[in-house]
Amino acid sequence: GAGVSQSPSNKVTEKGKDVELRCDPISGHTALYWYRQSLGQGLEFLIYFQGNSAPDKSGLPSDRFSAERTGGSVSTLTIQRTQQEDSAVYLCASSLAGTTTGELFFGEGSRLTVL
Amino acid sequence: GQNIDQPTEMTATEGAIVQINCTYQTSGFNGLFWYQQHAGEAPTFLSYNVLDGLEEKGRFSSFLSRSKGYSYLLLKELQMKDSASYLCAVRHASGGSYIPTFGRGTSLIVHP
Repeated sequence: GAGVSQSPSNKVTEKGKDVELRCDPISGHTALYWYRQSLGQGLEFLIYFQGNSAPDKSGLPSDRFSAERTGGSVSTLTIQRTQQEDSAVYLCASSLAGTTTGELFFGEGSRLTVL
Repeated sequence: GQNIDQPTEMTATEGAIVQINCTYQTSGFNGLFWYQQHAGEAPTFLSYNVLDGLEEKGRFSSFLSRSKGYSYLLLKELQMKDSASYLCAVRHASGGSYIPTFGRGTSLIVHP
């Protein structure tokens, strides 16, 4: 597709369950970011992938969170043993490295609700 | 770490001009972005500044002063559709990573 695609768009789960969120970046974009946005809050950085380099995981809030990027394209964010405070919109973005701005293109997000 | 401050909410009248300020403290500054986000939608890119001065793009302009850690987004000839959240983001270089850190956003309400 032309833009960043995320799935599912909405996910409701019970506390303690694991969830997987998927991001398909714009073709050719080497950089991929995960952010989360809670109600009334700004975007909180989670993890950053750039090409074949080791990811920058400095924003992951706990060891229940992990992410991988296969083949330099699709990325999956996994949250294990979900807690109610994990409820948020999880946004994925990609960018084309080497451009003047390196602007981020965002997907529509995955809204996670933990009951 | 990074600290980014912007007003929580602003209101303005259709047809008027509004200036949204953003102040920041960061190490390894590598550019400042402004994004627009309508409720329930993804953020979309508005502007980018890496050098001091004013960048103009149609009705929107963005200004940067690196020495003061200050930027503003200027919106002219406001339209109702400009009601949205405006996010200031500072990109910093950290160990080979270039990661934008976002402020909490300024909710702009444009009324007739």
